[in-house]
Amino acid sequence: EAGVTQFPSHSVIEKGQTVTLRCDPISGHDNLYWYRRVMGKEIKFLLHFVKESKQDESGMPNNRFLAERTGGTYSTLKVQPAELEDSGVYFCASSENRGNIQYFGAGTRLSVL
Amino acid sequence: AQSVTQPDIHITVSEGASLELRCNYSYGATPYLFWYVQSPGQGLQLLLKYFSGDTLVQGIKGFEAEFKRSQSSFNLRKPSVHWSDAAEYFCAVGEDTSGTYKYIFGTGTRLKVLA
Repeated sequence: EAGVTQFPSHSVIEKGQTVTLRCDPISGHDNLYWYRRVMGKEIKFLLHFVKESKQDESGMPNNRFLAERTGGTYSTLKVQPAELEDSGVYFCASSENRGNIQYFGAGTRLSVL
Repeated sequence: AQSVTQPDIHITVSEGASLELRCNYSYGATPYLFWYVQSPGQGLQLLLKYFSGDTLVQGIKGFEAEFKRSQSSFNLRKPSVHWSDAAEYFCAVGEDTSGTYKYIFGTGTRLKVLA
């Protein structure tokens, strides 16, 4: 069974550009999470989907970030326009039920120059 | 607010030596606790978890952790470290708030293993 996959593994963009990160959860997992790790700091929660609905987006930094999960399968996280402080590693995780163990992808390293 | 502290940013040990990685948490209720490991180019892999019951938890790759409520700690241990254990280790507590269940992570401990 495939794990959580994220694309791309690394993205380098200039300030002001747009970037879209993608996450494919484990098949059948209704819960999908996005987290972010800024250099040297802790991994922080961004938001939680249950199927296609946003359950909690309290961790989203600002309105330059838009997450979607159309059809309740894969999810995208768009940053528009990107700023320098958006650089970091973006992790996606999925779980079968709320409260279960979360399975993480390898992350997307975003570098904004 | 809930928080997790990993006091050691970097730890270096010799292969074959014992290892203990520290984790302290701040959480109002009985915590759900986790240790994850991230090797280069890999995702976060679950090493072990504590939900309830026996306070000494066994995990994969020969790791164990002990939950000590009185000390608010959940330290990770391994009796004999292998070179392949070099990675970054994250302690996390599961926070169950209305409508969602999310992890609160520590800042991570990067382990270097000397041959």
